[in-house]
Amino acid sequence: QAVVTQEPSLTVSPGGTVTLTCASSTGAVTTASSPNWIQQKPGQPPRALIFSASNRYSWTPARFSGSLLGGKAALTLSGAQPEDEAEYYCLLLDSGAQAWVFGGGTKLTVL
Amino acid sequence: EVQVVESGGGLVQPGGSLRLSCAASGFSFGSFWMTWVRQAPGKGLEWVANISPDGSEKYFVDSVKGRFTITRDNAKNSLFLQMNSLRAEDTAMYYCARDHSYWGQGTLVSVSS
Repeated sequence: QAVVTQEPSLTVSPGGTVTLTCASSTGAVTTASSPNWIQQKPGQPPRALIFSASNRYSWTPARFSGSLLGGKAALTLSGAQPEDEAEYYCLLLDSGAQAWVFGGGTKLTVL
Repeated sequence: EVQVVESGGGLVQPGGSLRLSCAASGFSFGSFWMTWVRQAPGKGLEWVANISPDGSEKYFVDSVKGRFTITRDNAKNSLFLQMNSLRAEDTAMYYCARDHSYWGQGTLVSVSS
């Protein structure tokens, strides 16, 4: 099954912009990989943010946006808030293995 | 309101079995893929298995193939994960999710002698 790679950690200033990326060992990430982005805060269950690369759920703040960028999936946070400090996971469909695969997560610090 | 609630976790010895349940409400259960995801203590999320709306398609992560079975009862709005031949590395919080959108609070499985 594919290996999905994310930045281990990133820091953003309050009000700033940061982009998290997600790469696959099987090649370019495309809409066929159906990228999802999941947020998890300490002690809480995961919460879905983005599906199918760029679609927000009804509860997803507009400051979060998803895209495909240079063969990777990307999650951009524009106007970071202290409450955005969390672990962010990318989830991709590995169609060859008929399974989904999480990335290792990016720990985002707002400081 | 969409809800999924896991149950059935606990302490089990290596080699033992456990059956997790997930009770769903607030949506048309039989219309959605359902997923199990786990998280070992202090580690990241690991996708475990999913099942199609009618139960005819089932997919698993390599590490649980042949040991875990996923089933559903659409009449009872319930999802199950039968876990056999459990190993220490299966110790984790197990989450049920409606596709990958709505998540439960999780149920803790500990495999230890």
